[in-house]
Amino acid sequence: EVQLVESGGGLVQPGRSLKLSCAASGFTFSNYYMAWVRQAPTKGLEWVASITNSGGSTYYRDSVKGRFTISRDNAKSTLYLQMDSLRSEDTATYYCTRDEEWSFDYWGQGVMVTVSS
Amino acid sequence: DIQMTQSPASLSASLEEIVTITCQASQDIGNWLAWYQQKPGKSPQLLIYGATSLADGVPSRFSGSRSGTQYSLKISRLQVEDIGIYYCQQASSAPYTFGAGTKLELK
Repeated sequence: EVQLVESGGGLVQPGRSLKLSCAASGFTFSNYYMAWVRQAPTKGLEWVASITNSGGSTYYRDSVKGRFTISRDNAKSTLYLQMDSLRSEDTATYYCTRDEEWSFDYWGQGVMVTVSS
Repeated sequence: DIQMTQSPASLSASLEEIVTITCQASQDIGNWLAWYQQKPGKSPQLLIYGATSLADGVPSRFSGSRSGTQYSLKISRLQVEDIGIYYCQQASSAPYTFGAGTKLELK
């Protein structure tokens, strides 16, 4: 059974940093692209970033480019999202997803990130 | 960016009724279209990928179709467990954009 378990969320002040983790199990992690998708409170879904199976290439939406870094450790079957210079508009539930040809076939339970002073 | 215009924004339907939700892409995305269901308080679940392919474990009453740049999700016989919000998503080019969602309720 595929499982994706996020951690690392919380309340953070604007301008500060936070790092999310996603522990994957139930599939061969190193064979799959992975992605982060977020959902602001009561809002729709927004793709944030994707990473290739090797970690050699990464892709970001413009609003997070230069502030967020997606990475992975295939030996640990873990996906990361380093979020720097956080803004209030980054407040959302962040989902770790398995990226299958740019659609998302498995989702974690989500982790809440609140950016507020 | 590719815009995905989803309609209707909300929909009220009866059990066993046929339900159709549509999504219009702002440019050609081929079959690079996915549909998701999000039940209240839960994570989204993939229903359809490649515009018409059913994801693993999804009931056969769900189906997807395409006509040019218009895509449709059809639920052939609405069940109680189908209540939630449905999103389309284009997988053609970054940023991978979602529709605004359709909230499906029971009449």
